[in-house]
Amino acid sequence: GQNIDQPTEMTATEGAIVQINCTYQTSGFNGLFWYQQHAGEAPTFLSYNVLDGLEEKGRFSSFLSRSKGYSYLLLKELQMKDSASYLCAPRWGLTGGGNKLTFGTGTQLKVEL
Amino acid sequence: GAGVSQSPRYKVAKRGQDVALRCDPISGHVSLFWYQQALGQGPEFLTYFQNEAQLDKSGLPSDRFFAERPEGSVSTLKIQRTQQEDSAVYLCASSRDRGTHEQYFGPGTRLTVT
Repeated sequence: GQNIDQPTEMTATEGAIVQINCTYQTSGFNGLFWYQQHAGEAPTFLSYNVLDGLEEKGRFSSFLSRSKGYSYLLLKELQMKDSASYLCAPRWGLTGGGNKLTFGTGTQLKVEL
Repeated sequence: GAGVSQSPRYKVAKRGQDVALRCDPISGHVSLFWYQQALGQGPEFLTYFQNEAQLDKSGLPSDRFFAERPEGSVSTLKIQRTQQEDSAVYLCASSRDRGTHEQYFGPGTRLTVT
């Protein structure tokens, strides 16, 4: 497989900041998606990184280091509604070559008062 | 506009029965994907269509699984002679074209094989 590794569970406090890490195999890497999935619902797109660096989008930011095979999702000013599973999905292969996503097992985030 | 829709939302099948799961992608989306999601796991790729052509079916777990998209829009995933291990949520996703665009997921069909 592509050795996608992310923590299984995390707990954080409302209003705080949490960082969810993801590592993956670098060979043939061609971009990485983060998705959010609430229980019983469809995954929804959060971010896409293909170049090194930080992409910021409101309370959510995503970082990528291609050489290290590492990404993280940063969630600021946590709200109770952020309790969900966060799925790291690297992509390998040629651009446009199908774009199938390979998901990690997901990080179940619980936001507490 | 309307998102990806799937039907039925829930399906209970007796072991050995055949089932058909439907996906209506976002209008005009070229690419369509099927994923299988077991409880507590991330979605796993099953198959991919570009328009009506099935370009990748490497994730289909056995020859009991069959997918089609005859007119390049609606797709059907068929599972023959269902087994208990087929119990999962089946997610359909579509994207605008074969470029680096995000995939939009439907709500899924939860299949339970008894």
